[in-house]
Amino acid sequence: AQTVTQSQPEMSVQEAETVTLSCTYDTSESDYYLFWYKQPPSRQMILVIRQEAYKQQNATENRFSVNFQKAAKSFSLKISDSQLGDAAMYFCAYDTVYGNTPLVFGKGTRLSVIA
Amino acid sequence: EAGVAQSPRYKIIEKRQSVAFWCNPISGHATLYWYQQILGQGPKLLIQFQNNGVVDDSQLPKDRFSAERLKGVDSTLKIQPAKLEDSAVYLCASSFSETSVLYEQYFGPGTRLTVT
Repeated sequence: AQTVTQSQPEMSVQEAETVTLSCTYDTSESDYYLFWYKQPPSRQMILVIRQEAYKQQNATENRFSVNFQKAAKSFSLKISDSQLGDAAMYFCAYDTVYGNTPLVFGKGTRLSVIA
Repeated sequence: EAGVAQSPRYKIIEKRQSVAFWCNPISGHATLYWYQQILGQGPKLLIQFQNNGVVDDSQLPKDRFSAERLKGVDSTLKIQPAKLEDSAVYLCASSFSETSVLYEQYFGPGTRLTVT
């Protein structure tokens, strides 16, 4: 079974600075998808960024980018120019390539942004 | 496009009582998921529907939890009788359905259940 591990329960960053959240995973599959989700206090899960395992290029979405190291099974999220609105729980998640399968989540990292 | 709707947003019950949650997925989404998110943990799948059929309910505590999706649209999740350890956020998600094609899961706002 696939597992996702987030080893940082809490992180903090100064506004406008850069922070990196870590995630490792375990799978025997060669193709899969990885995600970072943001969950603010409203509890709504919001997709931040997605990475296809067969793509070597790291995904980027505006201020959010990932460092995907397939051999090391590592998938970190970098947030640049941090904003107060980035404060939330961040979850790393795994999905198969088969479609219509449930996501496997890590335990999450709580990010605080200091003004 | 309207998002995934869930109700109620909050519910407080005493142990051994029953409770029901409702989810209305995005129109046209054939796949519906119920996740349980215990405080300090990531969401974990309880049950997955494809239209009105169950795809995966292996993690559903069937002695107390039940779920249905009538007519392949709305879904209800019921707990009877509730235990203290059922205190959690219950998230509903939906996605378009097609095998071997990744479609994003869209999440509802969740229901926070407190069992006292």
